[in-house]
Amino acid sequence: EAGVTQFPSHSVIEKGQTVTLRCDPISGHDNLYWYRRVMGKEIKFLLHFVKESKQDESGMPNNRFLAERTGGTYSTLKVQPAELEDSGVYFCASSQRDTFYGYTFGSGTRLTVV
Amino acid sequence: RKEVEQDPGPFNVPEGATVAFNCTYSNSASQSFFWYRQDCRKEPKLLMSVYSSGNEDGRFTAQLNRASQYISLLIRDSKLSDSATYLCVVNALYYGNNRLAFGKGNQVVVIP
Repeated sequence: EAGVTQFPSHSVIEKGQTVTLRCDPISGHDNLYWYRRVMGKEIKFLLHFVKESKQDESGMPNNRFLAERTGGTYSTLKVQPAELEDSGVYFCASSQRDTFYGYTFGSGTRLTVV
Repeated sequence: RKEVEQDPGPFNVPEGATVAFNCTYSNSASQSFFWYRQDCRKEPKLLMSVYSSGNEDGRFTAQLNRASQYISLLIRDSKLSDSATYLCVVNALYYGNNRLAFGKGNQVVVIP
Protein backbone atom coordinates (compact mmCIF):
# COMPACT_ATOMS: atom_id res chain seq x y z
CA GLU A 1 0.00 0.00 0.00
CA ALA A 2 1.42 3.38 -0.99
CA GLY A 3 1.80 5.81 1.89
CA VAL A 4 0.93 9.46 2.10
CA THR A 5 2.83 11.30 -0.61
CA GLN A 6 3.76 14.96 -0.52
CA PHE A 7 5.21 17.12 -3.24
CA PRO A 8 7.53 18.94 -3.46
CA SER A 9 9.87 17.72 -0.74
CA HIS A 10 11.59 21.10 -0.62
CA SER A 11 10.65 24.54 -1.84
CA VAL A 12 12.58 27.79 -1.60
CA ILE A 13 10.67 30.89 -2.64
CA GLU A 14 10.99 34.59 -2.21
CA LYS A 15 8.76 36.60 0.07
CA GLY A 16 5.64 37.62 -1.80
CA GLN A 17 5.62 34.65 -4.15
CA THR A 18 3.04 31.90 -4.26
CA VAL A 19 3.67 28.26 -3.44
CA THR A 20 1.36 25.27 -3.73
CA LEU A 21 1.96 22.12 -1.76
CA ARG A 22 0.32 18.87 -2.69
CA CYS A 23 -0.68 15.84 -0.65
CA ASP A 24 -1.86 12.48 -1.94
CA PRO A 25 -3.42 10.51 0.92
CA ILE A 26 -3.51 6.75 1.25
CA SER A 27 -6.14 5.45 -1.15
CA GLY A 28 -9.55 5.15 0.46
CA HIS A 29 -8.77 7.44 3.38
CA ASP A 30 -11.55 9.96 3.78
CA ASN A 31 -9.76 12.00 6.44
CA LEU A 32 -6.90 14.23 5.39
CA TYR A 33 -5.01 16.58 7.71
CA TRP A 34 -2.45 19.32 7.32
CA TYR A 35 0.01 20.13 10.09
CA ARG A 36 2.98 22.46 10.24
CA ARG A 37 6.18 22.65 12.22
CA VAL A 38 7.85 26.02 12.43
CA MET A 39 11.48 25.94 13.58
CA GLY A 40 11.80 25.68 17.33
CA LYS A 41 8.11 25.03 17.86
CA GLU A 42 5.91 21.99 18.14
CA ILE A 43 3.93 20.54 15.26
CA LYS A 44 0.61 22.35 15.00
CA PHE A 45 -2.70 21.46 13.40
CA LEU A 46 -3.79 23.46 10.36
CA LEU A 47 -6.91 21.80 9.03
CA HIS A 48 -8.89 18.63 8.51
CA PHE A 49 -10.81 17.43 5.46
CA VAL A 50 -13.43 14.74 5.44
CA LYS A 51 -13.65 13.77 1.80
CA GLU A 52 -13.86 17.10 -0.01
CA SER A 53 -15.33 19.06 2.89
CA LYS A 54 -13.39 21.14 5.38
CA GLN A 55 -14.29 19.63 8.73
CA ASP A 56 -12.10 21.96 10.75
CA GLU A 57 -9.93 24.79 9.46
CA SER A 58 -9.51 26.61 12.73
CA GLY A 59 -5.75 26.07 12.73
CA MET A 60 -5.12 27.97 9.51
CA PRO A 61 -2.96 30.95 10.45
CA ASN A 62 -4.54 33.55 8.17
CA ASN A 63 -6.25 34.09 4.85
CA ARG A 64 -3.01 33.80 2.90
CA PHE A 65 -3.43 30.04 3.27
CA LEU A 66 -5.94 28.24 1.06
CA ALA A 67 -6.52 24.49 1.17
CA GLU A 68 -8.56 22.49 -1.27
CA ARG A 69 -9.45 18.87 -1.79
CA THR A 70 -11.36 18.60 -5.01
CA GLY A 71 -13.10 15.27 -5.51
CA GLY A 72 -12.04 14.08 -2.10
CA THR A 73 -8.71 12.70 -3.31
CA TYR A 74 -5.52 14.74 -3.22
CA SER A 75 -5.27 18.06 -1.45
CA THR A 76 -3.40 21.26 -2.15
CA LEU A 77 -2.29 23.94 0.26
CA LYS A 78 -1.53 27.28 -1.33
CA VAL A 79 0.30 30.09 0.38
CA GLN A 80 -0.18 33.45 -1.32
CA PRO A 81 1.67 35.71 -0.80
CA ALA A 82 4.29 33.89 1.23
CA GLU A 83 5.88 35.61 4.23
CA LEU A 84 9.11 34.80 6.05
CA GLU A 85 7.23 33.34 9.03
CA ASP A 86 5.60 30.74 6.77
CA SER A 87 8.88 28.85 6.62
CA GLY A 88 8.66 25.43 8.16
CA VAL A 89 7.82 21.84 7.42
CA TYR A 90 4.29 21.11 6.25
CA PHE A 91 3.07 17.61 6.98
CA CYS A 92 0.04 15.91 5.56
CA ALA A 93 -1.61 12.88 7.12
CA SER A 94 -4.55 10.67 6.34
CA SER A 95 -6.71 8.16 8.13
CA GLN A 96 -9.71 6.00 7.48
CA ARG A 97 -11.29 6.85 10.77
CA ASP A 98 -10.78 9.77 13.06
CA THR A 99 -7.67 10.50 15.05
CA PHE A 100 -8.57 8.16 17.89
CA TYR A 101 -6.33 5.55 16.29
CA GLY A 102 -3.46 7.85 15.28
CA TYR A 103 -2.57 8.34 11.66
CA THR A 104 0.16 8.14 9.02
CA PHE A 105 2.12 11.20 8.01
CA GLY A 106 3.69 12.02 4.70
CA SER A 107 7.38 12.91 4.57
CA GLY A 108 6.58 16.60 4.55
CA THR A 109 7.39 19.64 2.44
CA ARG A 110 10.17 21.83 3.76
CA LEU A 111 9.26 25.39 2.81
CA THR A 112 11.81 28.17 3.05
CA VAL A 113 10.73 31.73 2.36
CA VAL A 114 13.64 34.10 1.80
CA ARG B 1 -0.34 27.04 28.82
CA LYS B 2 0.83 24.64 26.12
CA GLU B 3 -1.45 21.73 25.30
CA VAL B 4 1.39 19.22 25.65
CA GLU B 5 4.57 19.92 27.59
CA GLN B 6 7.77 18.00 27.14
CA ASP B 7 11.30 18.62 28.34
CA PRO B 8 13.19 18.70 25.03
CA GLY B 9 16.47 17.48 26.49
CA PRO B 10 18.72 16.28 24.91
CA PHE B 11 18.80 13.05 26.84
CA ASN B 12 22.27 11.54 26.39
CA VAL B 13 21.98 7.85 27.13
CA PRO B 14 24.78 5.27 27.20
CA GLU B 15 24.12 2.32 24.95
CA GLY B 16 22.40 -0.44 26.93
CA ALA B 17 21.04 1.92 29.57
CA THR B 18 17.43 2.71 30.39
CA VAL B 19 15.93 6.12 29.73
CA ALA B 20 12.56 7.43 30.80
CA PHE B 21 10.76 10.67 30.14
CA ASN B 22 7.27 11.96 30.35
CA CYS B 23 4.98 14.70 29.21
CA THR B 24 1.99 16.48 30.65
CA TYR B 25 -1.15 17.55 28.84
CA SER B 26 -3.57 20.28 29.73
CA ASN B 27 -6.88 19.12 28.26
CA SER B 28 -8.59 16.79 30.71
CA ALA B 29 -11.04 15.79 27.96
CA SER B 30 -8.25 14.22 25.91
CA GLN B 31 -9.29 10.83 24.62
CA SER B 32 -6.29 9.06 23.22
CA PHE B 33 -2.56 9.27 23.58
CA PHE B 34 0.43 8.33 21.50
CA TRP B 35 4.17 8.36 21.32
CA TYR B 36 5.57 9.18 17.90
CA ARG B 37 9.18 8.89 16.87
CA GLN B 38 10.73 11.48 14.58
CA ASP B 39 14.14 11.07 13.02
CA CYS B 40 16.07 14.10 11.83
CA ARG B 41 14.39 15.68 8.80
CA LYS B 42 11.83 12.89 8.60
CA GLU B 43 8.12 12.65 9.29
CA PRO B 44 6.74 11.56 12.68
CA LYS B 45 6.01 7.85 12.83
CA LEU B 46 3.66 6.23 15.29
CA LEU B 47 5.67 4.34 17.91
CA MET B 48 2.85 3.21 20.14
CA SER B 49 -0.51 4.12 21.52
CA VAL B 50 -0.77 4.61 25.27
CA TYR B 51 -3.47 3.04 27.39
CA SER B 52 -4.49 3.59 30.99
CA SER B 53 -3.44 0.07 31.88
CA GLY B 54 0.02 0.70 30.49
CA ASN B 55 1.41 -1.13 27.52
CA GLU B 56 4.66 -2.60 26.38
CA ASP B 57 6.15 -3.18 22.97
CA GLY B 58 9.50 -4.92 23.19
CA ARG B 59 11.92 -2.59 24.92
CA PHE B 60 9.40 0.25 25.05
CA THR B 61 6.89 0.75 27.85
CA ALA B 62 4.28 3.49 27.92
CA GLN B 63 2.13 4.59 30.84
CA LEU B 64 -0.77 6.97 31.17
CA ASN B 65 -1.87 8.68 34.36
CA ARG B 66 -5.18 10.39 33.67
CA ALA B 67 -5.55 11.79 37.18
CA SER B 68 -2.26 13.67 36.94
CA GLN B 69 -2.50 14.14 33.17
CA TYR B 70 0.87 12.79 32.28
CA ILE B 71 2.21 10.16 29.92
CA SER B 72 5.53 8.38 30.18
CA LEU B 73 7.81 6.39 27.92
CA LEU B 74 10.57 4.09 29.06
CA ILE B 75 13.18 2.62 26.76
CA ARG B 76 15.18 -0.32 28.09
CA ASP B 77 18.51 -1.58 26.77
CA SER B 78 18.95 1.48 24.54
CA LYS B 79 20.32 0.89 21.06
CA LEU B 80 22.15 3.39 18.89
CA SER B 81 19.18 3.20 16.52
CA ASP B 82 16.92 4.57 19.25
CA SER B 83 18.48 8.01 18.78
CA ALA B 84 15.59 10.21 17.67
CA THR B 85 13.08 12.71 18.96
CA TYR B 86 10.12 11.19 20.77
CA LEU B 87 6.93 13.19 20.42
CA CYS B 88 4.16 13.01 22.98
CA VAL B 89 0.85 13.34 21.12
CA VAL B 90 -2.63 13.75 22.52
CA ASN B 91 -5.95 13.56 20.73
CA ALA B 92 -8.57 15.89 22.05
CA LEU B 93 -11.81 17.45 21.03
CA TYR B 94 -11.79 21.13 20.17
CA TYR B 95 -15.29 22.46 19.66
CA GLY B 96 -16.46 19.05 18.53
CA ASN B 97 -13.54 18.35 16.20
CA ASN B 98 -10.79 15.84 16.79
CA ARG B 99 -7.23 16.96 16.36
CA LEU B 100 -3.80 15.94 17.56
CA ALA B 101 -1.77 18.15 19.85
CA PHE B 102 1.99 17.61 19.84
CA GLY B 103 4.68 18.27 22.36
CA LYS B 104 8.01 19.64 21.20
CA GLY B 105 9.58 16.24 21.68
CA ASN B 106 12.24 14.61 23.82
CA GLN B 107 15.53 14.36 21.93
CA VAL B 108 17.32 11.13 22.76
CA VAL B 109 20.95 10.56 21.82
CA VAL B 110 22.28 7.08 22.50
CA ILE B 111 26.03 7.14 22.99
CA PRO B 112 28.26 4.14 22.22
